[in-house]
Amino acid sequence: SYELTQPPSVSVSPGQTARITCSADALPNQYTYWYQQRPGQAPVLLIYKDSGRPSGVPERISASRSGTTVTLTISGVQAEDEADYYCQSTDRSGASVVFGGGTKLTVL
Amino acid sequence: EVQVVESGGGLVQPGGSLRLSCAASKFTFSNYWMHWVRQAPGKGLVWVSRLNSDGTTTNYADSVKGRFTISRDNAKNTLYLQMNSLRVEDTAVYYCVEGPMDSFDIWGQGTMVTVSS
Repeated sequence: SYELTQPPSVSVSPGQTARITCSADALPNQYTYWYQQRPGQAPVLLIYKDSGRPSGVPERISASRSGTTVTLTISGVQAEDEADYYCQSTDRSGASVVFGGGTKLTVL
Repeated sequence: EVQVVESGGGLVQPGGSLRLSCAASKFTFSNYWMHWVRQAPGKGLVWVSRLNSDGTTTNYADSVKGRFTISRDNAKNTLYLQMNSLRVEDTAVYYCVEGPMDSFDIWGQGTMVTVSS
């Protein structure tokens, strides 16, 4: 089955840059999306179609793709960024939606 | 404010059934794909099912295929998830989500389903 792999955790100090990767054996020619889930809350769309930012998402949050890895970058990390982050795509057939396992971002 | 609100969760015994509902408001419900996504306690997000705008195309995760049925009533702006033959591993918060076919824009707050004897 198609899987997206994320590191379980990433830790950074305030003001630093956090990078969260999402990789697959072979990323299909499908877009990747990113979601932020703060403790006790529902997820929120952060990035759409590989690198688009919905209105309200700050410019210090960005994403990029290189080969079979997509990377979410959060610059100038703040305490409020502490959350779980999930990447998401679809399998090659497009019939199944897949999430990565999630990455817990800790702000030290 | 655009929103979706889930209801219908609760405690059910293994092998039992439950129907979840999701009421949509402040957007043209009949224009959008709708999804169910679940999250077991302390675990990650798992996509469950999706349904196109007019209810003619459905997809399911392998783990629920044949047991769960997604449907909608566009006249009532409501999405449903009929869950049969429930298993302990179906225990999770179930989120109703509005979005395009392959992503998730507007999330509800979720409804908890507990399968336990």
